[in-house]
Amino acid sequence: AQSVAQPEDQVNVAEGNPLTVKCTYSVSGNPYLFWYVQYPNRGLQFLLKYITGDNLVKGSYGFEAEFNKSQTSFHLKKPSALVSDSALYFCAVRPGGSQGNLIFGKGTKLSVKP
Amino acid sequence: NAGVTQTPKFRVLKTGQSMTLLCAQDMNHEYMYWYRQDPGMGLRLIHYSVGEGTTAKGEVPDGYNVSRLKKQNFLLGLESAAPSQTSVYFCASRRRVSYEQYFGPGTRLTVT
Repeated sequence: AQSVAQPEDQVNVAEGNPLTVKCTYSVSGNPYLFWYVQYPNRGLQFLLKYITGDNLVKGSYGFEAEFNKSQTSFHLKKPSALVSDSALYFCAVRPGGSQGNLIFGKGTKLSVKP
Repeated sequence: NAGVTQTPKFRVLKTGQSMTLLCAQDMNHEYMYWYRQDPGMGLRLIHYSVGEGTTAKGEVPDGYNVSRLKKQNFLLGLESAAPSQTSVYFCASRRRVSYEQYFGPGTRLTVT
């Protein structure tokens, strides 16, 4: 079965420190990969995507993600975390050859402390 | 440009009641989606539409129906609500040529 895994329910980081939110996937074909962020009582907001090309993708709010085909991973990173980055983060994947429906991970809650 | 809007924002239903959730988008997107979000479950696709007049089932379609009579609107119906349908419902849309989806603010539904 095709799936997306976010192995950490919660990630705690001190403000100013680098952060990583992990995502691995198991899908057929060449996947398209996405990260979304959800602030409390809000809808999901698109952060960044990987379709093809450079494995390091830059997105909104200083976030970036690295596609690693051999490890089937797409980890979200930021060099210096802000308290305002605290939110729920979702990884999503479009399996290769599909009509575009996304499979979402269960989400990782990021908590950045001052 | 309002993006994706959802009506209502909150609703409480009794078991067996029916209701319709409305999703509207003003971005002229071809594709529209309905998801439900439950704690620890991520987002699960209920139904989707690839264009006006067409709908298809997603991962968890049972107990729901949808209609896409106009390109900008996507309706989600619950004919006989059950407590298991207590959830937060999100609508999303996207252009045919681009895979990132744009989400509405959500509808929080409680079925007692």
